[in-house]
Amino acid sequence: QVQLVQSGSELKKPGASVKVSCKASGYTFTSYAMNWVRQAPGQGLEWMGWINTNTGNPTYAQGFTGRFVFSLDTSVSTAYLQISSLKAEDTAVYYCARDSYGSRFDYWGQGTLVTVSS
Amino acid sequence: AIRMTQSPFSLSASVGDRVTITCWASQGISSYLAWYQQKPAKAPKLFIYYASSLQSGVPSRFSGSGSGTDYTLTISSLQPEDFATYYCQQYYSTPITFGQGTRLEIK
Repeated sequence: QVQLVQSGSELKKPGASVKVSCKASGYTFTSYAMNWVRQAPGQGLEWMGWINTNTGNPTYAQGFTGRFVFSLDTSVSTAYLQISSLKAEDTAVYYCARDSYGSRFDYWGQGTLVTVSS
Repeated sequence: AIRMTQSPFSLSASVGDRVTITCWASQGISSYLAWYQQKPAKAPKLFIYYASSLQSGVPSRFSGSGSGTDYTLTISSLQPEDFATYYCQQYYSTPITFGQGTRLEIK
């Protein structure tokens, strides 16, 4: 069965970096794009962008350029989200979600809570 | 960016009620609309895609309709497990955008 399993919660200080992983199983990794979605505490869903799992080419939504990097390791069917120079406002749950290139998000990871606090 | 607006923001209803949630897009999205259910501390789950197609495993009391800029999610007879937050999403063009969510609560 299709599964996206994300890494565990992180507590980071302002200015630090974090790398969240999303390991896919149960399907051919490169047949689906991977998206990243942010949900701040008590807020709605915000699309951060996506990465083409065939080419590794990332596309970032406005507001997620510069400090945010999407990457892949196709040998282990895993997508990564790295956030650098963390700020308190980066505190959120981050989800990965697959789609068949331009389609709905049919499977989601369980989410990774990143807390930024001094 | 296409703006998605849901109504109502929150809704109180009883088990057995028929409920409708509306989603408006700021421009036509050709039915490239999905609905997700999210329960507290859980990931969203796809319920409806292409405006009216039911995702596998979703109960038939859920239905979607609409075209152009106006879309609805209907639950024909609320069950206790349906109380959650529902989001619409357009995937017609990037940036992909979500509605602000509709919180469905037990009356």
